[in-house]
Amino acid sequence: QKEVEQDPGPLSVPEGAIVSLNCTYSNSAFQYFMWYRQYSRKGPELLMYTYSSGNKEDGRFTAQVDKSSKYISLFIRDSQPSDSATYLCAMRLSGGYNKLIFGAGTRLAVHP
Amino acid sequence: GAVVSQHPSWVICKSGTSVKIECRSLDFQATTMFWYRQFPKQSLMLMATSNEGSKATYEQGVEKDKFLINHASLTLSTLTVTSAHPEDSSFYICSARVHLNGQGSSGNTIYFGEGSWLTVV
Repeated sequence: QKEVEQDPGPLSVPEGAIVSLNCTYSNSAFQYFMWYRQYSRKGPELLMYTYSSGNKEDGRFTAQVDKSSKYISLFIRDSQPSDSATYLCAMRLSGGYNKLIFGAGTRLAVHP
Repeated sequence: GAVVSQHPSWVICKSGTSVKIECRSLDFQATTMFWYRQFPKQSLMLMATSNEGSKATYEQGVEKDKFLINHASLTLSTLTVTSAHPEDSSFYICSARVHLNGQGSSGNTIYFGEGSWLTVV
């Protein structure tokens, strides 16, 4: 079993839809959770960074962490074609120098 | 967010030669940088952790003599692929750890460079 599970998709939605992306994980000691967006042939771009459980909102993006279920989500409201990319979840243990563990990435396509 | 610059973006080299990729933190000092490799439609594979002024820590299965990492300053880490072969062709991405204000000693996250496409012919 992988430490972090993420459905690779692809996920295709119409413009304006609400997108829900999810990851599950097995290590209950993970404390820091991140979402990255990666456009084709580019490096990942940090979208959201959260600590422990709870919600965090930034513009059209909302990140949720449910540590009791070992489940994290990223919601994209009013999705745009420019949101078409691969979304990677990542997480790490507490302590400043632990490496990130990535999900496989979900490919999202938002069509006009 | 923090800016990490990677150069070159694209490189083609002949089999048997060596190629160097640079990773720079432009607006902050990075004591720790990371090198990843990514195959098409796959996630990131951590190759090594680069610490300023000390030897890199390589992940299991990564040949340290083939992938030489140097982190000579707080803003620059380099990855040299030595005696490159076609199977080394890949997308190589560096990243740097950035400490986040107000998050205590554990509050830091990772920012990535734009990546470098290596093709060995």
